[in-house]
Amino acid sequence: QVQLVESGGGVVQPGGSLRLSCAASGFTFSSYGLHWVRQAPGKGLEWVAFIRYDGSNKYYADSVKGRFTISRDTSKNTLYLQMNSLRAEDTSVYYCAKGSWGIYDWGQGTLVTVSS
Amino acid sequence: QSALTQPASVSGSPGQSITISCTGTSSDVGGYNYVCWYQQHPGKAPKVMIYDVSNRPSGVSDRFSGSKSGNTASLTISGLQAEDEADYYCSSFTISSTYVFGTGTKVTVL
Repeated sequence: QVQLVESGGGVVQPGGSLRLSCAASGFTFSSYGLHWVRQAPGKGLEWVAFIRYDGSNKYYADSVKGRFTISRDTSKNTLYLQMNSLRAEDTSVYYCAKGSWGIYDWGQGTLVTVSS
Repeated sequence: QSALTQPASVSGSPGQSITISCTGTSSDVGGYNYVCWYQQHPGKAPKVMIYDVSNRPSGVSDRFSGSKSGNTASLTISGLQAEDEADYYCSSFTISSTYVFGTGTKVTVL
């Protein structure tokens, strides 16, 4: 079955950088779009970024545009999220999710805390 | 992109039916049949319950159903059970090729 396993979360100071990874298995990685979605403590879900199945197009929420970069490595079946210029309001659980027109399968998430 | 509007809370007794609404615009919910509904229990990852407005993934109970009219999508839970108590979110593809989630609804089983 589909497995998405996030890693790379942790505590980082404001202005710092972090790279999240998502190891995928159980499906043909190169055939599906992938998302990052986040959830701040006690808050709702917020869509962050999407990359098409072939990496040809990438889309971002306005709140992260210019600071975050989504990418994928088909040889490693892995999705990435490079996060720069981090702010306190970026503190969230970050989920990796699979889907093209919708968001269908989810990982368990990794916590990112931005704090001095 | 503004979040889709959902009621903050909905409650019902065991066995009853409840409906959660998800209101957007013609640029998202009303313009595409790519609305999903998710169930999230505390401390857990979301789980898709409905995709493409009204389709149920295998393994999801047929007590869950989805529909759409204009700019509003709806999730109906029939025969409410204690295990249905959770947060529910909708999502939609948008005209900008981005995605947007709803504000979330807490379902309480009385």
